[in-house]
Amino acid sequence: KAGVTQTPRYLIKTRGQQVTLSCSPISGHRSVSWYQQTPGQGLQFLFEYFSETQRNKGNFPGRFSGRQFSNSRSEMNVSTLELGDSALYLCASSLAGTGVFGYTFGSGTRLTVV
Amino acid sequence: GDSVTQMEGPVTLSEEAFLTINCTYTATGYPSLFWYVQYPGEGLQLLLKATKADDKGSNKGFEATYRKETTSFHLEKGSVQVSDSAVYFCALIQNYGGSQGNLIFGKGTKLSVKP
Repeated sequence: KAGVTQTPRYLIKTRGQQVTLSCSPISGHRSVSWYQQTPGQGLQFLFEYFSETQRNKGNFPGRFSGRQFSNSRSEMNVSTLELGDSALYLCASSLAGTGVFGYTFGSGTRLTVV
Repeated sequence: GDSVTQMEGPVTLSEEAFLTINCTYTATGYPSLFWYVQYPGEGLQLLLKATKADDKGSNKGFEATYRKETTSFHLEKGSVQVSDSAVYFCALIQNYGGSQGNLIFGKGTKLSVKP
């Protein structure tokens, strides 16, 4: 059974640019969440999608957005990149309805903004 | 709001030593509790979970018991190995009657095990 796949693994972007990250959940999982991991702030929740609808959103500026497709794949987009956006972005999937049995995480996309 | 506090690291142990990583939480209601592990250059792996008070989660020799009276979920292992070197995260998720909140993580505790 394939795990959660995130692409690309590494990205280097320049300030002011925009970036799109992709996440393919485990087959059958309809919920996809995104987290940002930085040394200073730790792991912070960005948003969660379920059946193509954003169900929950963290405290991030509007430059961070996402979407989910009918096949449950998800993308997140960051516009007007800032140096502080450099982080590991993690995607996680779970079975429909509830995550109480745990999320399965991908290996992440390491974004560096220069 | 809900939060998770775990002991500061790094923790350095010799192989076969006993491990305890403390975790306490602040939350309303009855959250589910988790321990995740992150190896260098990788994402998070679910290590163990507990969904209600007094549940004990266990996996690969690691254990943690959901203690509602002390709002704690301490991680323990009787004999650590070099391969256990990683960063360990305690986390909770709220249950809202069929829907869910998001995972709330502690800051992480880095464990280094020396041979």
